[in-house]
Parts: sequence; C-alpha cells; structure tokens
Amino acid sequence: NAGVTQTPKFRVLKTGQSMTLLCAQDMNHEYMYWYRQDPGMGLRLIHYSVGEGTTAKGEVPDGYNVSRLKKQNFLLGLESAAPSQTSVYFCASSYNGRGTQYFGPGTRLTVL
Amino acid sequence: TQLLEQSPQFLSIQEGENLTVYCNSSSVFSSLQWYRQEPGEGPVLLVTVVTGGEVKKLKRLTFQFGDARKDSSLHITAAQPGDTGLYLCAGLPGDRKLIWGLGTSLAVNP
Repeated sequence: NAGVTQTPKFRVLKTGQSMTLLCAQDMNHEYMYWYRQDPGMGLRLIHYSVGEGTTAKGEVPDGYNVSRLKKQNFLLGLESAAPSQTSVYFCASSYNGRGTQYFGPGTRLTVL
Repeated sequence: TQLLEQSPQFLSIQEGENLTVYCNSSSVFSSLQWYRQEPGEGPVLLVTVVTGGEVKKLKRLTFQFGDARKDSSLHITAAQPGDTGLYLCAGLPGDRKLIWGLGTSLAVNP
C-alpha cells in the first residue's frame, strides 16, 4: 500500500498563477484533509471532506478551493496564488474522523 | 476557541538526557494523539491516549493523559539522536476536528 501520496513535491509559482495539488489515498478512508504548515503557526486546517462529493471549510480556507469527486482523491486548488500562500501543504486521511490521521509527504510551494 | 499549548517550543539536549514535553488545554478532550514529524516528511502517529490518568509506554517514550483529560505529557528517557524531530499533540473534542498544538522541536545532539 502506498498510503497517502501527494503530487507535486515541490513547486514554484509566480503571483497570480494557478495550480492544483493532488492527494490520493489507497486506504478507503472516508475523511480527507488539507493542512498548511508554517514556522511558528503549526498545522492549520484549510479544507476537509467527510466523504466522496463533500467538502467543508477549515480554519484558513480563503484563497483555496477543493474537490472530492472520487473517494480516493482530494484536490486543492489555488486560483490566483499570493506570496502569503508560500508554505508546506500536507494532505491527510482518516477512517472515521476520530482516529489516526495518515499524512502524505507534503508539497513545498513557493509563490514569488 | 479551543487551544492546545505545547511546551517547550524548542529543546536541544545531549544524547542520554531525559526530557518531558507538555501539552495543556482548558478544554476536555475525548482522546489525545501524539505525532512525530521528521524533517521533510509528514507527521506520524506515535500513540493515542483515551482514558483519564492513562499511561502508555513506547520503548523509551512514556505518554500520560491527565486525570481530567485536559492535558498530556510525553517523557523520553535516555534520548538518542534518532529521537530528533517535531513532536505534535492533537486533541479530539466532541465535533471530530482535531485541535493541534504548535509542536515541540527536539534536537538530540550526539
């Protein structure tokens, strides 16, 4: 099993560009999450999903959109990137929202 | 707003020393999880504590959940360089969204 995978691993964008981060899990988990991690700020929840076709806002959703068209995939989109979105992005999944969260390896995004 | 405060924020020790990391809140949690994150990787679960007063051991790591289920501690005995990383606690309140602490960055020097 691959667990949780994220693509790409690294990306550099210019201000105003758009991109999509892909997360895939092969554990048949219902819950999926997108976090950003910044120095001194910890892990902050951007958006999450409690099942295929559902999405919900987390703590810092502005500037991001998500989609969960298939149970195994959770996409994070940046429509118009800003330097404040420079961060490391982690995707995670869990079986029922109360147990272990399994994290991907992260995507390091730099917005110039 | 529910908060989880971790202390210390940074810790640099010599190999063989003992250390304790604290995770405190004014809120009650149904369970509390501890994760370790190594550089360039995502967090990985170490342990989940559920019952007030519970103590769990994982080799040289001892985890304790407070009696009132508002706080937790992680004690490492005879730290080794392989223990280096970011230790994160995360509490689960009733609404199923984990509340994360900011983490303790541990460096164990040979």
